[in-house]
Amino acid sequence: IAGITQAPTSQILAAGRRMTLRCTQDMRHNAMYWYRQDLGLGLRLIHYSNTAGTTGKGEVPDGYSVSRANTDDFPLTLASAVPSQTSVYFCASTNGAMTTGELFFGEGSRLTVL
Amino acid sequence: GQNIDQPTEMTATEGAIVQINCTYQTSGFNGLFWYQQHAGEAPTFLSYNVLDGLEEKGRFSSFLSRSKGYSYLLLKELQMKDSASYLCAVSDSNYQLIWGAGTKLIIKP
Repeated sequence: IAGITQAPTSQILAAGRRMTLRCTQDMRHNAMYWYRQDLGLGLRLIHYSNTAGTTGKGEVPDGYSVSRANTDDFPLTLASAVPSQTSVYFCASTNGAMTTGELFFGEGSRLTVL
Repeated sequence: GQNIDQPTEMTATEGAIVQINCTYQTSGFNGLFWYQQHAGEAPTFLSYNVLDGLEEKGRFSSFLSRSKGYSYLLLKELQMKDSASYLCAVSDSNYQLIWGAGTKLIIKP
């Protein structure tokens, strides 16, 4: 693994089903983030984690949950998927404070909820 | 509310120069970022400005004016591979990134 890896790359899901998007990084970054990207909108933060063992809510957290049991993994769970959660989901990480920038992104997970 | 504005789409010619503008209104300011995103791919970091002025990095430059809430990304000697979306993002008082919707840049031969 090099960098940040997401799985699955793409998924079609029936409404009401539970789904977990996986995210793993090997850069030992403290902070990790989940964003969703929808056409015509900027990236919107769902949940974040500044360090292992802690999580926080972003701009659009409803319907999603996360956990951060260790430094490397930051899974995102949709407890009961709805069509409005159809989106491209990006996991990202950064080392240290946001002020110095560079977020590293995974390749994205395209989720379609029918 | 917090807001980042950038043009939806721009077209330029290979070999030319293009300037992509970004204006912002945020609660606090801890820096402005530009990212490049090719279609179907992840965003990748281009630049970070926290002080006023121009930062140059090869063919790409980024400018910031904090008093005007304004930034631009300047791309010189355009190449076909520069066809992508360019995302402007501001770090607010809580160090959370607020993202613009992105500017799709189309390069024509």
